[in-house]
Parts: sequence; structure tokens; C-alpha cells
Amino acid sequence: DQQVKQNSPSLSVQEGRISILNCDYTNSMFDYFLWYKKYPAEGPTFLISISSIKDKNEDGRFTVFLNKSAKHLSLHIVPSQPGDSAVFFCAAETRGYGGATNKLIFGTGTLLAVQP
Amino acid sequence: DTEVTQTPKHLVMGMTNKKSLKCEQHMGHRAMYWYKQKAKKPPELMFVYSYEKLSINESVPSRFSPECPNSSLLNLHLHALQPEDSALYLCASSQDAGWNGYTFGSGTRLTVV
Repeated sequence: DQQVKQNSPSLSVQEGRISILNCDYTNSMFDYFLWYKKYPAEGPTFLISISSIKDKNEDGRFTVFLNKSAKHLSLHIVPSQPGDSAVFFCAAETRGYGGATNKLIFGTGTLLAVQP
Repeated sequence: DTEVTQTPKHLVMGMTNKKSLKCEQHMGHRAMYWYKQKAKKPPELMFVYSYEKLSINESVPSRFSPECPNSSLLNLHLHALQPEDSALYLCASSQDAGWNGYTFGSGTRLTVV
């Protein structure tokens, strides 16, 4: 049962254009949503997050949008750069007090290729 | 220090061996995690430690045995593994409030032969 899904396994965009990565989830109890970037044989690197009570969060070139009614979130990267090429994972978190029962569940990942 | 350090980076072990993976952080984070990632799959949660106590075990087989000796260290003891246990094992840590996300180590690439 995949609670967090990224339906596009890969995405290719031109340098300077917008990259839009999508993510769908099924559990309405998630408290936070996070985006991570990952290179092979390395750990995921945190990019940006959004609380379930917000609908938008922006940090530099990265903006995350949350549509709770549709159980959908997206990551916009503007402008895209060749260095952005990596696997992007969305992740959803349920929180417990003091982190005791925090659970971070990853989506299936989207491989982004930014062409020079 | 804003890193999670995992050792070794690579490990090859036989099915009868006993080995341990080590994870260390000095950020004062009180929650630490083990994840397993198979090729072309997302990381999957294995264990959660909070304040040095095991709080979540995601039905992981007993051949994987976690240990948290202190607030900075997390170990994963391995015994009698199977070839299908070969994967990238990731350690992560977080503060109580996860607004800045979890910090992941670069992982241990484990091969069971």
C-alpha cells in the first residue's frame, strides 16, 4: 500500500525553464510534507517542506504547493539548472510528541534531467 | 557539526557473518532513524529511536537488531542476513520539531553474498 505516490518516474526540462514535480497521497492525517533531492549512493538532501495547514511555501527557486482537498502537492523549480538533475522524492510525515512516533514516508521518486 | 556520519560506506558480508553499521550525529537531535533503500525504490523506514528508546519497529526481521548506546550514536547489528537484504542503509536524525526536515547520512552500501 503506497501512501505517497509520484506518478512520473522521470521528467526532462530545458535549462532556464520551469520544472514541476507532482506527488499524490492517500492519508489525510499527514502533518507535514517534504521534498528531498537524492544522488545515487548518497543520502537524501532536504529541500523544502510545507505544513498541512498551509497551501504554499517558497524558498528561493523552490516553491511547494499543497492542495489538501485533492491530496496533491507539487514542487516548482524556477529556473531549472543542470545541477538540479537528480532523483526528487516527496515525503509525508506524521508527528508524535517529542519525535517518538515521527514517521517519514517517501514517495516513489522522480528522476529530473535538466538539459543545458 | 550539521552532519550524520555513517560507517562503513561499503560492506560485503557472508550469510553467516555478524557485522554492525554505525551512525553518529552531534546536532543534539533526539530522534534517530534507520531506513533501507533498494535499487530504484524509495527509502523505507525500519526503526525509530526517540530519546534513546526504540519507539517504532516496522516489522523488521530479527536478523536486524538496532541499538542506541547514547544520544549521538545509533547502531544496526546484522546477523544471518540473506542476499535480498543487500541495499543502501540510511541513517537519519531529527529534532522534535521537524520543520527543517530530517538530516540523512550518506548511507552504507551493504552486499550480502
